Amino acid sequence: QSALTQPASVSGSPGQSITISCTGTSSDVGGYNYVSWYQQHPGKAPKLMIYDVSNRPSGVSNRFSGSKSGNTASLTISGLQAEDEADYYCSSYTSSSTPYVVFGGGTKLTVL
Amino acid sequence: QVQLQESGPGLVKPSETLSLTCAVSGYSISSGYYWGWIRQPPGKGLEWIGSIYHSGSTYYNPSLKSRVTISVDTSKNQFSLKLSSVTAADTAVYYCARWGHYFDYWGQGTLVTVSS
Repeated sequence: QSALTQPASVSGSPGQSITISCTGTSSDVGGYNYVSWYQQHPGKAPKLMIYDVSNRPSGVSNRFSGSKSGNTASLTISGLQAEDEADYYCSSYTSSSTPYVVFGGGTKLTVL
Repeated sequence: QVQLQESGPGLVKPSETLSLTCAVSGYSISSGYYWGWIRQPPGKGLEWIGSIYHSGSTYYNPSLKSRVTISVDTSKNQFSLKLSSVTAADTAVYYCARWGHYFDYWGQGTLVTVSS
């Protein structure tokens, strides 16, 4: 039941695009299309940004997109803005022995 | 608009049981979805604790399963978390959230500190 693997930090300048990876196994990320991404600003609750690999909830900017290849999911943010600076977490449903949820360790996005 | 609100003691003594409740408004728990608890130690990442369906069916994080009990009270439209034998390592912000293979609505979170 290891956490999904994310880079500890990424950075980019305003207007640029960045991608955050989330690596799991065939029992979680690779086995189900149930990857979700969350944005968390300091002192705030996480906010759902992407669900079921690539779907955006109503109200989330189309600058946010998700994808998956094999055991690795990715979150791409295009046209970086200052307010995108936050922590980002990926999550996946898994059912290797019993159904449960696993999170990534989180990635700190810095907008330079 | 679905809203969730955690409540419970902010300070728990070591070896005792942590108890939190999540009140749901704007949606009837009996209508569907799973309802879950997630925690975040200070300065660290998110950890899923467990989830419950309105029928009472539960899924727990295997690493916490021996100490966790999640229950639901559909008459009060709320669900609860009990975590026994707590230690300082259980100090965290505890969130409740609605789960449908992803957490779409979250409570604001409540800090629980384990200390004597």
